[in-house]
Amino acid sequence: AQRVTQPEKLLSVFKGAPVELKCNYSYSGSPELFWYVQYSRQRLQLLLRHISRESIKGFTADLNKGETSFHLKKPFAQEEDSAMYYCALRASGSARQLTFGSGTQLTVLP
Amino acid sequence: DAMVIQNPRYQVTQFGKPVTLSCSQTLNHNVMYWYQQKSSQAPKLLFHYYDKDFNNEADTPDNFQSRRPNTSFCFLDIRSPGLGDAAMYLCATSRQGSVNYNEQFFGPGTRLTVL
Repeated sequence: AQRVTQPEKLLSVFKGAPVELKCNYSYSGSPELFWYVQYSRQRLQLLLRHISRESIKGFTADLNKGETSFHLKKPFAQEEDSAMYYCALRASGSARQLTFGSGTQLTVLP
Repeated sequence: DAMVIQNPRYQVTQFGKPVTLSCSQTLNHNVMYWYQQKSSQAPKLLFHYYDKDFNNEADTPDNFQSRRPNTSFCFLDIRSPGLGDAAMYLCATSRQGSVNYNEQFFGPGTRLTVL
């Protein structure tokens, strides 16, 4: 069975500082990893996925299979980045299900 | 232009009194999911429908049932709610077969309170 761990429940940084939200996973196959975000009073939505190798709102995440990690990074945090961030994993093959981590609440201070 | 709609947003029920939560979507997605999310915890998948095929997670209690009468609607029935079933219930959809089918679109959730 797969598992996703986000070790930090809360993370605070100052505006303009770099930010890294940690995500580790355990899965024996080749997973697909995602970051979902939930801004205050909004619904959960996809931020980025590892297969796209994209930068969204300045955020990037690299899948490190050796360390089984998928940390989310942004070099200069903005106040509007304050939100709840969830790391999620989809098992390989035809699986449709996502396994979520417990989330990290990011607060960017002025 | 809401795409995944959940009604009601807040539901209060009594211990043991059956309750139904509803989800509808305007995306014409063929997969619909129900998640349970308790305070400070990860969303936990209860079950999902791939078209009309129902897929139950192994650890979903029998107390939770689901119906999908058509593509647009999916219901979550809790037959005898207990205090431990108080949670946020999230509905999500995705389109299997499209390039980006792995993206799930979430509704705003229904917060269930059990008295």
